[in-house]
Amino acid sequence: KAGVTQTPRYLIKTRGQQVTLSCSPISGHRSVSWYQQTPGQGLQFLFEYFSETQRNKGNFPGRFSGRQFSNSRSEMNVSTLELGDSALYLCASSRDTGNEQFFGPGTRLTVL
Amino acid sequence: AQSVTQPDIHITVSEGASLELRCNYSYGATPYLFWYVQSPGQGLQLLLKYFSGDTLVQGIKGFEAEFKRSQSSFNLRKPSVHWSDAAEYFCAVGALKSGGYNKLIFGAGTRLAVHP
Repeated sequence: KAGVTQTPRYLIKTRGQQVTLSCSPISGHRSVSWYQQTPGQGLQFLFEYFSETQRNKGNFPGRFSGRQFSNSRSEMNVSTLELGDSALYLCASSRDTGNEQFFGPGTRLTVL
Repeated sequence: AQSVTQPDIHITVSEGASLELRCNYSYGATPYLFWYVQSPGQGLQLLLKYFSGDTLVQGIKGFEAEFKRSQSSFNLRKPSVHWSDAAEYFCAVGALKSGGYNKLIFGAGTRLAVHP
């Protein structure tokens, strides 16, 4: 069974631009969560989607948003990029809420 | 508030030596606990999990962890470390509710170096 895939793997953007990251969960998994990883703040929860609905949201500004499609694939969008948004963005999927999460390889975003 | 503490930021061991990585958590209910490993430039790989039952759990790659409720700890162990175990290790507590929500709270991580 294929694992969680994330595209693109690397992105370079400039301040003020917006970016969209994509995540395809493991087949049969309906929950997709997003995390931001930075050297200073570590791993932080962004949000979780289940059956196209946002179930839970972390403490991030409204510039960070996401959505989930009927096939469980998910996208996250960051608008008006700031230098501090440079990070590894990790997507994780699970069969349902209340189960272990499996992570993708991440998208490395660099904001110049 | 829910939190996870990994007291050791960096640990160095010799190949073949035993390993114990510490993890303490703060959580109001019965916790779901996890250990993940991350190699440079990679995502997180699940090593093992504790949901309920036997407090000593076995994972992949020869790792095990013991849940001690009285100490709010979930330490990771391996009897003999291999050079390929060099990576960063994250302990996490799951704020999980079936049919409700799915959120992992991570510790800051412990970077493991292995000397030949």
